[in-house]
Amino acid sequence: GAVVSQHPSRVICKSGTSVKIECRSLDFQATTMFWYRQFPKQSLMLMATSNEGSKATYEQGVEKDKFLINHASLTLSTLTVTSAHPEDSSFYICSAIGGSTDTQYFGPGTRLTVL
Amino acid sequence: DQQVKQNSPSLSVQEGRISILNCDYTNSMFDYFLWYKKYPAEGPTFLISISSIKDKNEDGRFTVFLNKSAKHLSLHIVPSQPGDSAVYFCAVNGGSNYKLTFGKGTLLTVNP
Repeated sequence: GAVVSQHPSRVICKSGTSVKIECRSLDFQATTMFWYRQFPKQSLMLMATSNEGSKATYEQGVEKDKFLINHASLTLSTLTVTSAHPEDSSFYICSAIGGSTDTQYFGPGTRLTVL
Repeated sequence: DQQVKQNSPSLSVQEGRISILNCDYTNSMFDYFLWYKKYPAEGPTFLISISSIKDKNEDGRFTVFLNKSAKHLSLHIVPSQPGDSAVYFCAVNGGSNYKLTFGKGTLLTVNP
């Protein structure tokens, strides 16, 4: 299957700082990328849909000014958590769709801990 | 209100036996259904999918069954192996925007 990477895999930051998470499709061009968040023992919750070259579409209840998404190329999308607070601590996962398949392939996730 | 429900938070099965994971959905407009497997601190891995025009799809040890009238799908794993132990998420897609809605997952434990 298609390979999606995320970087970093784990990040710890102080409250008030901003954190950038990268999502890359390694062997295909991702026309659409998705960002999810998963709290412990909960389901994956879609935060936003990102299409290359256009503004991301955010789900209801997700603050677009807090979670900045940039889909700069067909292989890279970034999520920046601005002015992070402890309640933003979570597991952030991206996925991508592209090529000849409609199946979403997921990255390995990024564990964010805000102190 | 949950659109996708996995009512069993956990399931324990003996190695070699069949594992059956269940998923119910509420919206009859959903037309594409997927199962993902997830290990702790990793992203989900795609397992198998089925479109609403079919009622069964098989891939090796994994078979997904879809009952549209009951809005129910299930994943059968046979024979189950200890390496299958993970959380299994059911996901549904209801439109052309590829957005997925996930269930809460079922933790499968396969005992040697």
